[in-house]
Amino acid sequence: SQKIEQNSEALNIQEGKTATLTCNYTNYSPAYLQWYRQDPGRGPVFLLLIRENEKEKRKERLKVTFDTTLKQSLFHITASQPADSATYLCALVEARGSTLGRLYFGRGTQLTVWP
Amino acid sequence: DTAVSQTPKYLVTQMGNDKSIKCEQNLGHDTMYWYKQDSKKFLKIMFSYNNKELIINETVPNRFSPKSPDKAHLNLHINSLELGDSAVYFCASSQDLPIYSGNTIYFGEGSWLTVV
Repeated sequence: SQKIEQNSEALNIQEGKTATLTCNYTNYSPAYLQWYRQDPGRGPVFLLLIRENEKEKRKERLKVTFDTTLKQSLFHITASQPADSATYLCALVEARGSTLGRLYFGRGTQLTVWP
Repeated sequence: DTAVSQTPKYLVTQMGNDKSIKCEQNLGHDTMYWYKQDSKKFLKIMFSYNNKELIINETVPNRFSPKSPDKAHLNLHINSLELGDSAVYFCASSQDLPIYSGNTIYFGEGSWLTVV
């Protein structure tokens, strides 16, 4: 069956450290992988996109890697701040089959950055 | 200005009732969606419209009926509400289908539906 798994439901780190979130997928052929941030009571907000032929993407303190052999994406937040506390969702766009073009989400990892 | 707006934000209703959630986007996008987020925070696509045409219907009970009067609006009507329909419903839009350059999806703030 198809699955998108994010490493843990919750991740707690100290301010200033690097947060690393993991997204693993099974039985998908993603054309793209996206990361979103969701704050309590709000809708998800797009952060970064990485294509299947890209290894790494950066945006300010954010970095995403994509390894299609391992079927995994890593999302890094460097110099983390309490304001980074939120739920981070991994999502992929299916490239093949009857579900071509559909965007599927993982359950998310709730990140808490403490001072 | 809110890019994707949906109303109502909160809705409490009894089993068996019929209710609608409205959504509008002012981004000029061609594609709109309805997603459902359950109590375990799992975000799952329900419907997708491209240029007012239904392109994705993800095994949703036919009690749920989307309607797109124009490209900027996608409403969700739910008949005979059940307890299991309680969830947060998110409307969203993108410039085009995600398969084209992995278009960013813009979400509304969500509509909290509680069926009692």
